[in-house]
Amino acid sequence: GEDVEQSLFLSVREGDSSVINCTYTDSSSTYLYWYKQEPGAGLQLLTYIFSNMDMKQDQRLTVLLNKKDKHLSLRIADTQTGDSAIYFCAAGTYKYIFGTGTRLKVLA
Amino acid sequence: GAGVSQSPSNKVTEKGKDVELRCDPISGHTALYWYRQSLGQGLEFLIYFQGNSAPDKSGLPSDRFSAERTGGSVSTLTIQRTQQEDSAVYLCASSSPGRGNEQFFGPGTRLTVL
Repeated sequence: GEDVEQSLFLSVREGDSSVINCTYTDSSSTYLYWYKQEPGAGLQLLTYIFSNMDMKQDQRLTVLLNKKDKHLSLRIADTQTGDSAIYFCAAGTYKYIFGTGTRLKVLA
Repeated sequence: GAGVSQSPSNKVTEKGKDVELRCDPISGHTALYWYRQSLGQGLEFLIYFQGNSAPDKSGLPSDRFSAERTGGSVSTLTIQRTQQEDSAVYLCASSSPGRGNEQFFGPGTRLTVL
């Protein structure tokens, strides 16, 4: 079946950039998404990218898509302690296939 | 309300009992989804509604799981004869067709089966 993979952990220092990577198998996905989940909270949509785009920038967030390699990344500039959370990549048309999430820890 | 709401927020039940989980989607959203998040794992798709019909039930793990949606709005996920492996956070999302087709998630119902 379709699959989405992410690394499990990432640790960065406050003020540095964070890059969270994701690979997916579903080439029919029209959009790809990034969600943030803070402890005890639901999923918050951060951003999404249309599959025919290479890059999307939204304030501190930059999404890069390499459709040939089926690789998606989320860059967070000037990472803050409030960015500590689990980040999920999702691919799909109507139903999403989620990765297992990357736990980002920001060190002060 | 402004967002997706779910109730109850927490449910503790004994093995073998039936439970019902409720989802109120964002007003006007025609699509509704149920996902399950087990401890330490990602999200697993359960079922998708478009209006009141469920064109994709492929993620329901067994025939103990069922869901319905009435009036194109509220949905109920029912788990019969609960088992310990059903313990998870059950998340509901809704979306409106169009640009992005973003799904907006509710806070979830944490189900614990003792």
